[in-house]
Amino acid sequence: QQPVQSPQAVILREGEDAVINCSSSKALYSVHWYRQKHGEAPVFLMILLKGGEQKGHEKISASFNEKKQQSSLYLTASQLSYSGTYFCGTAISAGGTSYGKLTFGQGTILTVHP
Amino acid sequence: NAGVTQTPKFQVLKTGQSMTLQCAQDMNHEYMSWYRQDPGMGLRLIHYSVGAGITDQGEVPNGYNVSRSTTEDFPLRLLSAAPSQTSVYFCASSKGRQLLNSPLHFGNGTRLTVT
Repeated sequence: QQPVQSPQAVILREGEDAVINCSSSKALYSVHWYRQKHGEAPVFLMILLKGGEQKGHEKISASFNEKKQQSSLYLTASQLSYSGTYFCGTAISAGGTSYGKLTFGQGTILTVHP
Repeated sequence: NAGVTQTPKFQVLKTGQSMTLQCAQDMNHEYMSWYRQDPGMGLRLIHYSVGAGITDQGEVPNGYNVSRSTTEDFPLRLLSAAPSQTSVYFCASSKGRQLLNSPLHFGNGTRLTVT
């Protein structure tokens, strides 16, 4: 039930763009995105809800394809501070019993070089 | 407003010992949870609670107990520590009972080593 993230790692130069994908085998109600820097706690970036609502970071964009059960995080004009591990977390549809559980992907390591 | 506070930050246990990881939040959040993080495995849910007196199991509950007697506190108990429980443990809370549209706020983690 763990969502699958791709790619596992990506290396960028400052100013370049990146896309991180998150796929689930279950029907989703919402997708969360978090970033974790080494030795620190994960930090909330964005929530995407079924129906198109988004909450989160102004400088980061994301999409949520309900039919394909996929979400993508778009990092444009990357900065050094974007480096870290990005995790998606998925909450299954409200018709199920697991709405209280957020299941995380294995993470995508993003490294931005000067 | 301290957010989510975890203690201790580091702990070394011997196999078979028991201990309690503490988690407290001062944001009046209904939802609290415990995750463990192992290299290459992401964050795996151990137990969660949607309010005082209500707890439920996550993906990897074996070997761990929880209780929620107050809104603020959600301790995690290791009953008999095993080397497989060596990990970084994160406590997280959220305003809403359902995680559908409320973000998780994480504590700074407890690094546990079991020898």
